[in-house]
Amino acid sequence: AQKITQTQPGMFVQEKEAVTLDCTYDTSDQSYGLFWYKQPSSGEMIFLIYQGSYDEQNATEGRYSLNFQKARKSANLVISASQLGDSAMYFCAMREVGAGGSYIPTFGRGTSLIVHP
Amino acid sequence: DGGITQSPKYLFRKEGQNVTLSCEQNLNHDAMYWYRQDPGQGLRLIYYSQIVNDFQKGDIAEGYSVSREKKESFPLTVTSAQKNPTAFYLCASSINGDRGRNTEAFFGQGTRLTVV
Repeated sequence: AQKITQTQPGMFVQEKEAVTLDCTYDTSDQSYGLFWYKQPSSGEMIFLIYQGSYDEQNATEGRYSLNFQKARKSANLVISASQLGDSAMYFCAMREVGAGGSYIPTFGRGTSLIVHP
Repeated sequence: DGGITQSPKYLFRKEGQNVTLSCEQNLNHDAMYWYRQDPGQGLRLIYYSQIVNDFQKGDIAEGYSVSREKKESFPLTVTSAQKNPTAFYLCASSINGDRGRNTEAFFGQGTRLTVV
C-alpha cells in the first residue's frame, strides 16, 4: 500500500502567487518525520523542508511552509510568491521503518509544478 | 565540499550486459540508498545499507545487486536479469537514526541508463 499520496500530478500557478501542493501519508507510528524535496529538470533532488510529528509549530523555510494537520495525516507544502525558478517536480517523503528496524525515506509520486510569467 | 558523486551521468548499455553505477559520498553518513525513478512513478527503493558490509533489499531489488565494502561507496550493478533497466537512478545517503531533524537524505546528480 502506498504510504505517501500526492494526488496532483500537475499544478499551474501564476508568478508571484501562492500555491499549495498536497501530501497525505499513512503510518501507525506516533513519532515520524516528513520531508519535501524539489527536483528541477536537471534531476538533482533538493531538500526543502522538514516537519516532525511532535513539532508544535508548522515548519517554515523562507518562501516554503508546511501546513501540517496531524489528525488528517496531511502535510501540504505552501510556496508563497512563486517564481519562475520554482517550476520543478516536488516530492513528499517520510522516513519509515524497514527491515531490521532501520529507517528508510519513502517518497510519493510527485507533483509537477509549472509557474507561468 | 561534502556531497555525493554519481558517475557516469549518462550510460548506454547493450541488452544482456551487466553495468555498474558508481556512488561515492564524503558526508560520513552510515546509511546509503539506491532509488529508481520512472516517469509518473516517483522514487522506488532498490537497495539500502545502514552499515558497512550489510545491505537490504528494497521494493524492486530483482535484477540488481550492490556491495558496501567501504563506508563511502555503494555501487549498484544492473544485471542482465533486469527486464526493463532503462531509467534514472538516484543514490542517496543520510545519517542513521529515526525521524528527527537532520535525517534528510542527500542525493547525487543521478545516472540516466539507457539500454540499446
